[in-house]
Amino acid sequence: AQSVTQPDIHITVSEGASLELRCNYSYGATPYLFWYVQSPGQGLQLLLKYFSGDTLVQGIKGFEAEFKRSQSSFNLRKPSVHWSDAAEYFCAVGAPNYGQNFVFGPGTRLSVLP
Amino acid sequence: ETGVTQTPRHLVMGMTNKKSLKCEQHLGHNAMYWYKQSAKKPLELMFVYSLEERVENNSVPSRFSPECPNSSHLFLHLHTLQPEDSALYLCASSQDREVGSPLHFGNGTRLTVT
Repeated sequence: AQSVTQPDIHITVSEGASLELRCNYSYGATPYLFWYVQSPGQGLQLLLKYFSGDTLVQGIKGFEAEFKRSQSSFNLRKPSVHWSDAAEYFCAVGAPNYGQNFVFGPGTRLSVLP
Repeated sequence: ETGVTQTPRHLVMGMTNKKSLKCEQHLGHNAMYWYKQSAKKPLELMFVYSLEERVENNSVPSRFSPECPNSSHLFLHLHTLQPEDSALYLCASSQDREVGSPLHFGNGTRLTVT
């Protein structure tokens, strides 16, 4: 079965600084990988996804993520954080034979200092 | 504007009450989901409906009863809940049940059981 870990529960960065949120997964084959963002009081919104091909994936709001098979990682990055990026970020993993039964990580809460 | 609308946004109920959560999607999707988001726990998939047929029930207690009368509407009927059922309940939809089909979430119903 798949599993997802997000080692950082809470990260604080200054506005304009770069950001990297870590995600590690456990799965026997190449998984389907996702990053979702949840702003306060709202549902989750898909930022980006990786299925195959280019291991560097571009998403919305200036985010990107890189799939590294050797490290079982799918870290999310942004070169310059905006105050509106303060939210909770969830990594999720899916598998072809699991349909929509994604496994979500515990989330990383991002705070942005002015 | 989200394509998935959930009502009510907040609900407080006693353990002997019966209430229902409603979800409506305006995206023309064929699959709908109920998720539970508790504090300090990963997002949990509760139910999956595809073309109005329940296809997955992740060992959810019988005090939660889903209903999907058509592909646009999803309900979660609640009765004799426990305080530990207090959580954010999120509805989501996707074009189909293929793992690559992104989830679109509503803003959730914050449920408090007293």
